[in-house]
Amino acid sequence: DAKTTQPNSMESNEEEPVHLPCNHSTISGTDYIHWYRQLPSQGPEYVIHGLTSNVNNRMASLAIAEDRKSSTLILHRATLRDAAVYYCILIRTGANSKLTFGKGITLSVRP
Amino acid sequence: DAGVTQSPTHLIKTRGQHVTLRCSPISGHKSVSWYQQVLGQGPQFIFQYYEKEERGRGNFPDRFSARQFPNYSSELNVNALLLGDSALYLCASSLPELNTEAFFGQGTRLTVV
Repeated sequence: DAKTTQPNSMESNEEEPVHLPCNHSTISGTDYIHWYRQLPSQGPEYVIHGLTSNVNNRMASLAIAEDRKSSTLILHRATLRDAAVYYCILIRTGANSKLTFGKGITLSVRP
Repeated sequence: DAGVTQSPTHLIKTRGQHVTLRCSPISGHKSVSWYQQVLGQGPQFIFQYYEKEERGRGNFPDRFSARQFPNYSSELNVNALLLGDSALYLCASSLPELNTEAFFGQGTRLTVV
């Protein structure tokens, strides 16, 4: 499985935008980029996914570099509820639904 | 609609015992996966089942086994428990199509003493 690299932690102020980076330099052409987050004492929660083009949904935006070797999850206005561990995961087309989690990035949000 | 439900929520077992964890997927979801999450780490894949057949297995010993029932619910069994099996066990369900989101339950917190 292609590997992803994320910073260990980031801090943000409430109501400010947050950019969470992910490097995946060994990504293959058939790998989708998925983001999940895990709030304290809960199971992981799907956030967003994409292949080549930038994606937007009600939770966040996903910006994918042109060479696809990195991506950025964007939370447009951080709230205290967004404090969580965010995981960037690659899933290969044709593979089963197995998710390979790394350590993720721990986002802290200051009031 | 009910989400993914897991039971029990918490469990304490003694070394050497056996444990069975249960998962009910979202209605209509035929794929169920199990993950183990130890403190401070991301979840690690254990098994995936689809239509009652094992479709994937992670790097776990044979003490770990699972099965899926005709109603798509699933059980995870762990024999000869070790202290290192203490973890949060997560179940996820998804539709069989590729690259769709997985929905996770709240997990079962297993403590082995």
